[in-house]
Amino acid sequence: DVKVTQSSRYLVKRTGEKVFLECVQDMDHENMFWYRQDPGLGLRLIYFSYDVKMKEKGDIPEGYSVSREKKERFSLILESASTNQTSMYLCASRLSSWTRDTQYFGPGTRLTVL
Amino acid sequence: DQQVKQNSPSLSVQEGRISILNCDYTNSMFDYFLWYKKYPAEGPTFLISISSIKDKNEDGRFTVFLNKSAKHLSLHIVPSQPGDSAVYFCAASAAHGANNLFFGTGTRLTVIP
Repeated sequence: DVKVTQSSRYLVKRTGEKVFLECVQDMDHENMFWYRQDPGLGLRLIYFSYDVKMKEKGDIPEGYSVSREKKERFSLILESASTNQTSMYLCASRLSSWTRDTQYFGPGTRLTVL
Repeated sequence: DQQVKQNSPSLSVQEGRISILNCDYTNSMFDYFLWYKKYPAEGPTFLISISSIKDKNEDGRFTVFLNKSAKHLSLHIVPSQPGDSAVYFCAASAAHGANNLFFGTGTRLTVIP
């Protein structure tokens, strides 16, 4: 079974803080993704990574950056957290871009920015 | 602009009856469609998919129908069970490019015992 884990289930931060969200997958997947889920908006792609050190912007990258130094780990960074970044953050992984494999999701991190 | 739309935010169905969840898309390049189910405090889990070369795919109690001319797909759950109560997301991808998924806004299904 594919396992995608996220470092925290719940996180509370203050405006202006730098925030790191970590995601780890254990199936040697090439692709990893960060989404945020908001009521009425569904899942929106923030960033994705084809492979180690490779990243691409998704639909809503503003205010975020990412890091993928190792294949199994994909980090989402909020350089200066703002209240409008309060959301559920979901990480996903997929075997590769060349297959139509499904994406496997982690349990999510609910981030609150005060 | 939302390329995948789920116009019903919620649906309530009696246990044992059929649940029908609908999804519309605008991008004619989409050729692969998926449904995910999400329970509270968990990540979405894959449920069923369909390629555009088919118009129906069945897996147990779950059937997905695709109408390419109408750019519409639906998920049928028969019979519905209380454990099916969750948020259902429709997603689509195109063959070219990164094969990334575009998600709808979700429909919350409540199955009443």
